Amino acid sequence: GQNIDQPTEMTATEGAIVQINCTYQTSGFNGLFWYQQHAGEAPTFLSYNVLDGLEEKGRFSSFLSRSKGYSYLLLKELQMKDSASYLCAVTRTYKYIFGTGTRLKVLA
Amino acid sequence: DAGVIQSPRHEVTEMGQEVTLRCKPISGHNSLFWYRQTMMRGLELLIYFNNNVPIDDSGMPEDRFSAKMPNASFSTLKIQPSEPRDSAVYFCASSLALGQGAYNEQFFGPGTRLTVL
Repeated sequence: GQNIDQPTEMTATEGAIVQINCTYQTSGFNGLFWYQQHAGEAPTFLSYNVLDGLEEKGRFSSFLSRSKGYSYLLLKELQMKDSASYLCAVTRTYKYIFGTGTRLKVLA
Repeated sequence: DAGVIQSPRHEVTEMGQEVTLRCKPISGHNSLFWYRQTMMRGLELLIYFNNNVPIDDSGMPEDRFSAKMPNASFSTLKIQPSEPRDSAVYFCASSLALGQGAYNEQFFGPGTRLTVL
């Protein structure tokens, strides 16, 4: 079966660091995406991991451990505009299997 | 560059009516996806087209749902008859074919918020 777990909600303070975890159990794995979705808008691409390790992109980093079925998204120097949902998606060829997302609230 | 275009952005209809959602993918993308998003179930893949051909429609809920892609620049998702439980946001996404892009990330349209009364 397919199972992707993320925390439902998280709250953090502006300027802080937050880590959003994603665990998965899927039959087949090609890679793992993180998408950001602001309320009422479309998901937009943040990062992609296919090999184990850390991928860094500015304030955002994503980590993958395939043996543990685990990923996290790390957001540094949080800004108010980072308040959004963050979706983890496991891919098998063309197919994305999305988690239900983590709603992040950034407080002033 | 225009992104994925969807219309309408909002649709309110009554139970039993036919609903047609439209999508124009990014030019040059030959993979197209229709998703449904609800609070309870998140984003669910409904159907996937490659080069205008339906490859995987295993996510289409039932016979009331149908999708077409008559050419590379247009796709429709139709619900007939619509029911209140179909209320959701429907997203269309497009991507390059596997192996053509660095990540093959999917680019999402703005979505159609459907409310069936």
